[in-house]
Amino acid sequence: GENVEQHPSTLSVQEGDSAVIKCTYSDSASNYFPWYKQELGKRPQLIIDIRSNVGEKKDQRIAVTLNKTAKHFSLHITETQPEDSAVYFCAAIDRGSTLGRLYFGRGTQLTVWP
Amino acid sequence: GAVVSQHPSRVICKSGTSVKIECRSLDFQATTMFWYRQFPKQSLMLMATSNEGSKATYEQGVEKDKFLINHASLTLSTLTVTSAHPEDSSFYICSARQTGGYGYTFGSGTRLTVV
Repeated sequence: GENVEQHPSTLSVQEGDSAVIKCTYSDSASNYFPWYKQELGKRPQLIIDIRSNVGEKKDQRIAVTLNKTAKHFSLHITETQPEDSAVYFCAAIDRGSTLGRLYFGRGTQLTVWP
Repeated sequence: GAVVSQHPSRVICKSGTSVKIECRSLDFQATTMFWYRQFPKQSLMLMATSNEGSKATYEQGVEKDKFLINHASLTLSTLTVTSAHPEDSSFYICSARQTGGYGYTFGSGTRLTVV
C-alpha cells in the first residue's frame, strides 16, 4: 500500500510568518493529494487539494505544490494567524484504484504564536 | 455540502462488552465507507474499507472478528467493537467517498473509552 511521510511533526512560528509542511509518497500511481486541518477532538477538514496533473494550487493564504517526479508535495501557509494552530495532515490516494483508500501522513502540530 | 452523521460522539463501556458506531451519509450515497482509528497525538490509521453489500476489506493487523463492519445500505455503515478492552479506547472516525467525485467526507468521530 501507499506510504506517506510527513515532516516536521511539530512546527512553531510567529504570527505573520510562513509555515511549510512537506510530504513524500511511495506509490507512483497516487494522483490525488488532499490536505486536512484537524482541531482537537474534531473531524479533519479539507483545506486544499491537488491533482497529479497540476503542479501548484493556491487558495488565498494557502498553497500546495506537487513534484510528481520526486514524489513529494508541500503545504505553504503565508501570513499565519493564531487560528491556524492545529494539526495538519497530508494524504495521498490512487483515485483509479478499486478501493480508493486514503492514506494519511503522521501529522504536523502547527502552533502560531501571537 | 455532503454530510456524514456519526453516532455516538462519546461512549464509555465496560471491558468485555460490545459497542456499535454508526455513520450515515445524509444527502448522498456512500458507495464506500472508510473506518479510521486515531490515538492521541497520532495520525488517522485506516482500519478497513467497506463497500455496500459486500464484505469489508481490512488493513493488515486489524482483527476482522473484533471490529465488525456492516455496510447494509448506500447511506449506512456500522462499526462494532466486540469484547472491548481498555486498549481499544480511541477516537474512531468514518469517511465516505462520494461516488464520482473527488471528495471524502468525514464523520464527527466517536470517542470510545473502555473501563
